[in-house]
Amino acid sequence: KAGVTQTPRYLIKTRGQQVTLSCSPISGHRSVSWYQQTPGQGLQFLFEYFSETQRNKGNFPGRFSGRQFSNSRSEMNVSTLELGDSALYLCASSPGTSGGQYFGPGTRLTVT
Amino acid sequence: GESVGLHLPTLSVQEGDNSIINCAYSNSASDYFIWYKQESGKGPQFIIDIRSNMDKRQGQRVTVLLNKTVKHLSLQIAATQPGDSAVYFCAENWAGSQGNLIFGKGTKLSVKP
Repeated sequence: KAGVTQTPRYLIKTRGQQVTLSCSPISGHRSVSWYQQTPGQGLQFLFEYFSETQRNKGNFPGRFSGRQFSNSRSEMNVSTLELGDSALYLCASSPGTSGGQYFGPGTRLTVT
Repeated sequence: GESVGLHLPTLSVQEGDNSIINCAYSNSASDYFIWYKQESGKGPQFIIDIRSNMDKRQGQRVTVLLNKTVKHLSLQIAATQPGDSAVYFCAENWAGSQGNLIFGKGTKLSVKP
Protein backbone atom coordinates (compact mmCIF):
# COMPACT_ATOMS: atom_id res chain seq x y z
CA LYS A 1 0.00 0.00 0.00
CA ALA A 2 1.14 3.52 -0.64
CA GLY A 3 1.97 5.51 2.45
CA VAL A 4 0.56 8.80 3.67
CA THR A 5 1.23 11.61 1.23
CA GLN A 6 1.29 15.32 1.96
CA THR A 7 1.38 18.27 -0.39
CA PRO A 8 3.09 20.58 -0.76
CA ARG A 9 6.32 19.49 0.89
CA TYR A 10 7.62 23.02 1.34
CA LEU A 11 5.85 26.33 1.55
CA ILE A 12 6.92 29.92 2.19
CA LYS A 13 4.25 32.43 3.15
CA THR A 14 4.10 35.96 4.45
CA ARG A 15 2.60 37.04 7.76
CA GLY A 16 -1.12 37.63 7.45
CA GLN A 17 -1.62 35.23 4.56
CA GLN A 18 -3.47 31.96 4.78
CA VAL A 19 -2.38 28.49 3.76
CA THR A 20 -4.00 25.15 2.97
CA LEU A 21 -2.16 21.85 3.39
CA SER A 22 -3.33 18.55 1.99
CA CYS A 23 -3.04 14.97 3.23
CA SER A 24 -3.96 11.69 1.55
CA PRO A 25 -4.15 8.79 4.03
CA ILE A 26 -3.24 5.18 3.51
CA SER A 27 -5.92 3.44 1.48
CA GLY A 28 -8.65 2.14 3.79
CA HIS A 29 -7.70 4.39 6.70
CA ARG A 30 -10.57 6.54 7.86
CA SER A 31 -8.88 8.58 10.58
CA VAL A 32 -6.56 11.49 9.86
CA SER A 33 -4.74 13.41 12.57
CA TRP A 34 -2.69 16.56 12.21
CA TYR A 35 0.31 17.58 14.29
CA GLN A 36 2.60 20.58 14.47
CA GLN A 37 6.28 19.97 15.13
CA THR A 38 8.61 22.77 16.24
CA PRO A 39 12.02 22.75 17.91
CA GLY A 40 10.57 24.55 20.92
CA GLN A 41 7.37 22.62 21.54
CA GLY A 42 8.00 19.25 19.93
CA LEU A 43 5.09 17.36 18.42
CA GLN A 44 1.69 18.79 19.30
CA PHE A 45 -1.72 17.48 18.32
CA LEU A 46 -3.92 19.80 16.27
CA PHE A 47 -7.06 17.78 15.45
CA GLU A 48 -8.36 14.45 14.25
CA TYR A 49 -11.01 13.62 11.69
CA PHE A 50 -12.91 10.39 11.22
CA SER A 51 -15.58 9.88 8.56
CA GLU A 52 -15.63 13.59 7.79
CA THR A 53 -16.24 14.56 11.43
CA GLN A 54 -13.81 16.21 13.80
CA ARG A 55 -13.58 13.85 16.78
CA ASN A 56 -10.85 15.51 18.76
CA LYS A 57 -9.14 18.87 18.91
CA GLY A 58 -5.94 20.08 20.49
CA ASN A 59 -5.21 23.37 22.16
CA PHE A 60 -4.64 25.60 19.15
CA PRO A 61 -6.34 28.88 18.23
CA GLY A 62 -9.29 28.99 15.86
CA ARG A 63 -7.00 30.15 13.05
CA PHE A 64 -6.18 26.47 12.63
CA SER A 65 -8.97 24.50 11.03
CA GLY A 66 -9.39 21.35 9.04
CA ARG A 67 -11.78 19.18 7.16
CA GLN A 68 -12.04 15.69 5.77
CA PHE A 69 -13.60 14.59 2.53
CA SER A 70 -15.66 11.50 1.77
CA ASN A 71 -12.57 9.76 0.34
CA SER A 72 -10.80 10.37 3.71
CA ARG A 73 -8.42 12.93 2.25
CA SER A 74 -7.95 15.83 4.62
CA GLU A 75 -6.93 19.45 4.46
CA MET A 76 -5.87 21.85 7.14
CA ASN A 77 -6.01 25.59 6.88
CA VAL A 78 -4.19 28.26 8.81
CA SER A 79 -5.49 31.79 8.45
CA THR A 80 -3.76 35.05 9.32
CA LEU A 81 -0.35 33.45 9.51
CA GLU A 82 2.05 34.45 12.27
CA LEU A 83 5.82 34.00 12.42
CA GLY A 84 5.30 31.41 15.16
CA ASP A 85 3.34 29.20 12.79
CA SER A 86 6.58 28.24 11.05
CA ALA A 87 6.80 24.52 11.65
CA LEU A 88 6.68 21.05 10.18
CA TYR A 89 3.04 20.04 9.81
CA LEU A 90 2.54 16.31 9.95
CA CYS A 91 -0.45 14.27 8.97
CA ALA A 92 -1.01 10.73 10.26
CA SER A 93 -3.60 8.16 9.31
CA SER A 94 -4.97 5.12 11.08
CA PRO A 95 -7.78 2.66 10.52
CA GLY A 96 -9.72 4.62 13.08
CA THR A 97 -10.78 1.89 15.46
CA SER A 98 -7.53 0.93 17.11
CA GLY A 99 -3.91 0.68 16.25
CA GLY A 100 -1.10 3.01 15.49
CA GLN A 101 -0.88 6.13 13.40
CA TYR A 102 1.27 6.27 10.30
CA PHE A 103 2.83 9.56 9.39
CA GLY A 104 3.45 11.33 6.14
CA PRO A 105 6.67 13.21 5.35
CA GLY A 106 5.23 16.53 6.48
CA THR A 107 4.87 20.00 5.01
CA ARG A 108 7.57 22.46 6.03
CA LEU A 109 5.90 25.86 6.40
CA THR A 110 8.01 28.97 6.73
CA VAL A 111 6.31 32.27 7.55
CA THR A 112 8.32 35.42 6.85
CA GLY B 1 9.44 35.94 22.46
CA GLU B 2 12.40 33.87 21.46
CA SER B 3 11.66 30.17 21.14
CA VAL B 4 14.07 27.86 22.82
CA GLY B 5 14.75 24.53 21.19
CA LEU B 6 14.09 21.37 23.11
CA HIS B 7 17.28 20.00 24.56
CA LEU B 8 17.09 16.41 23.43
CA PRO B 9 18.76 13.75 25.53
CA THR B 10 21.40 12.03 23.44
CA LEU B 11 22.45 8.41 23.52
CA SER B 12 25.69 7.54 21.80
CA VAL B 13 26.47 3.87 21.18
CA GLN B 14 28.96 1.83 19.24
CA GLU B 15 27.79 -0.10 16.20
CA GLY B 16 26.84 -3.63 17.24
CA ASP B 17 26.03 -2.71 20.83
CA ASN B 18 22.52 -2.82 22.26
CA SER B 19 20.69 0.46 22.86
CA ILE B 20 18.10 1.25 25.49
CA ILE B 21 15.97 4.35 25.15
CA ASN B 22 13.75 5.33 28.05
CA CYS B 23 10.54 7.28 28.31
CA ALA B 24 8.38 8.40 31.21
CA TYR B 25 4.78 8.82 30.17
CA SER B 26 2.38 11.26 31.71
CA ASN B 27 -1.11 9.79 32.02
CA SER B 28 -1.88 6.81 34.24
CA ALA B 29 -5.01 6.24 32.13
CA SER B 30 -2.94 5.70 28.97
CA ASP B 31 -3.52 2.24 27.57
CA TYR B 32 -1.69 2.29 24.27
CA PHE B 33 1.89 3.23 23.53
CA ILE B 34 3.95 3.57 20.38
CA TRP B 35 7.61 4.11 19.62
CA TYR B 36 8.48 6.19 16.56
CA LYS B 37 11.77 6.83 14.79
CA GLN B 38 12.28 10.15 13.04
CA GLU B 39 15.18 10.73 10.69
CA SER B 40 16.19 14.20 9.62
CA GLY B 41 13.77 15.68 7.10
CA LYS B 42 11.26 12.85 7.43
CA GLY B 43 8.04 12.13 9.27
CA PRO B 44 7.98 9.81 12.30
CA GLN B 45 8.15 6.14 11.37
CA PHE B 46 6.15 3.57 13.37
CA ILE B 47 8.48 1.07 15.05
CA ILE B 48 6.49 -0.94 17.57
CA ASP B 49 3.47 -0.58 19.81
CA ILE B 50 2.23 -2.12 23.05
CA ARG B 51 -1.06 -2.14 24.91
CA SER B 52 -1.36 -1.76 28.65
CA ASN B 53 -2.41 -5.39 29.15
CA MET B 54 1.13 -6.41 28.18
CA ASP B 55 4.47 -5.62 29.75
CA LYS B 56 6.73 -6.72 26.90
CA ARG B 57 6.53 -6.98 23.15
CA GLN B 58 9.19 -7.96 20.65
CA GLY B 59 9.70 -7.06 17.05
CA GLN B 60 12.56 -7.40 14.65
CA ARG B 61 15.64 -6.30 16.64
CA VAL B 62 13.44 -4.21 18.92
CA THR B 63 11.75 -4.87 22.25
CA VAL B 64 9.42 -2.57 24.14
CA LEU B 65 9.00 -2.88 27.89
CA LEU B 66 6.15 -1.29 29.80
CA ASN B 67 6.12 -0.67 33.55
CA LYS B 68 2.74 0.77 34.47
CA THR B 69 3.60 1.02 38.15
CA VAL B 70 6.14 3.76 37.51
CA LYS B 71 4.72 4.92 34.16
CA HIS B 72 7.85 3.97 32.28
CA LEU B 73 8.43 2.71 28.77
CA SER B 74 11.66 1.57 27.19
CA LEU B 75 12.79 0.63 23.70
CA GLN B 76 15.63 -1.82 23.32
CA ILE B 77 17.43 -2.07 20.00
CA ALA B 78 19.65 -5.09 19.52
CA ALA B 79 22.87 -4.93 17.52
CA THR B 80 22.50 -1.22 16.79
CA GLN B 81 23.42 -0.15 13.27
CA PRO B 82 24.38 3.25 11.80
CA GLY B 83 20.98 3.32 10.08
CA ASP B 84 19.38 3.37 13.52
CA SER B 85 20.71 6.88 14.11
CA ALA B 86 17.66 9.11 14.51
CA VAL B 87 15.44 10.76 17.10
CA TYR B 88 13.17 8.31 18.91
CA PHE B 89 9.82 9.33 20.38
CA CYS B 90 7.46 7.50 22.65
CA ALA B 91 3.78 8.34 22.31
CA GLU B 92 0.80 7.50 24.50
CA ASN B 93 -2.94 7.36 23.96
CA TRP B 94 -5.97 6.53 26.07
CA ALA B 95 -9.56 5.49 25.46
CA GLY B 96 -11.69 8.46 24.52
CA SER B 97 -8.78 10.39 23.12
CA GLN B 98 -9.12 9.19 19.59
CA GLY B 99 -6.41 10.20 17.20
CA ASN B 100 -4.60 12.24 19.82
CA LEU B 101 -1.15 10.90 20.53
CA ILE B 102 0.82 12.62 23.27
CA PHE B 103 4.48 12.60 22.35
CA GLY B 104 7.50 12.64 24.60
CA LYS B 105 10.33 15.04 23.91
CA GLY B 106 12.45 12.48 22.09
CA THR B 107 15.91 10.97 22.44
CA LYS B 108 18.59 11.36 19.82
CA LEU B 109 20.42 8.10 19.12
CA SER B 110 23.85 8.41 17.57
CA VAL B 111 25.57 5.24 16.38
CA LYS B 112 29.33 5.32 15.94
CA PRO B 113 30.71 2.99 13.24
